[in-house]
Amino acid sequence: TQLLEQSPQFLSIQEGENLTVYCNSSSVFSSLQWYRQEPGEGPVLLVTVVTGGEVKKLKRLTFQFGDARKDSSLHITAAQPGDTGLYLCAGDTGNQFYFGTGTSLTVIP
Amino acid sequence: ETGVTQTPRHLVMGMTNKKSLKCEQHLGHNAMYWYKQSAKKPLELMFVYSLEERVENNSVPSRFSPECPNSSHLFLHLHTLQPEDSALYLCASRVIWQGTEAFFGQGTRLTVV
Repeated sequence: TQLLEQSPQFLSIQEGENLTVYCNSSSVFSSLQWYRQEPGEGPVLLVTVVTGGEVKKLKRLTFQFGDARKDSSLHITAAQPGDTGLYLCAGDTGNQFYFGTGTSLTVIP
Repeated sequence: ETGVTQTPRHLVMGMTNKKSLKCEQHLGHNAMYWYKQSAKKPLELMFVYSLEERVENNSVPSRFSPECPNSSHLFLHLHTLQPEDSALYLCASRVIWQGTEAFFGQGTRLTVV
């Protein structure tokens, strides 16, 4: 069962552009995390959001948790080639992590 | 370096072979996970060991068999695999609590020939 759907699945943009990635579910999560994965490596945590409506900023990245704790978004401002990678959201139910379908981002110089 | 170590990094095996993947962490985490990552597919949760109790995904074929001898080590035993089992197998660990980060190993790239 795939609990978390991400969109878009693939995204290719020019350096300097802005973008938003969405993570949606019909399930409520106690927390939601965003990870980035580079080729040949495991995912690495970017941020954890816990409270409905919470907004967190990490330099040019802005993360938001939906009010109902079912969805989240990741917005990148002025994307750079170093942002290229696979972005994964993950919903936490306590014991288990369910990962989203993933968004593969390519930022072209 | 995340503190989660997986070996081997690469494995090529025939369909009649038996092999094991190993995951090790000394972070004091009390939950360990196996995930399968195939090309163009979402990360698939295979097995969870939480507080030394196994939570199993019913859709995982019996040719995959996990073992968790203690809280620091996790194995995935493989036998009579199929070519479609070729994938990146990722191990993760964390503390069972709300909002705690999962630390991933670098994965084992498995190819079944």
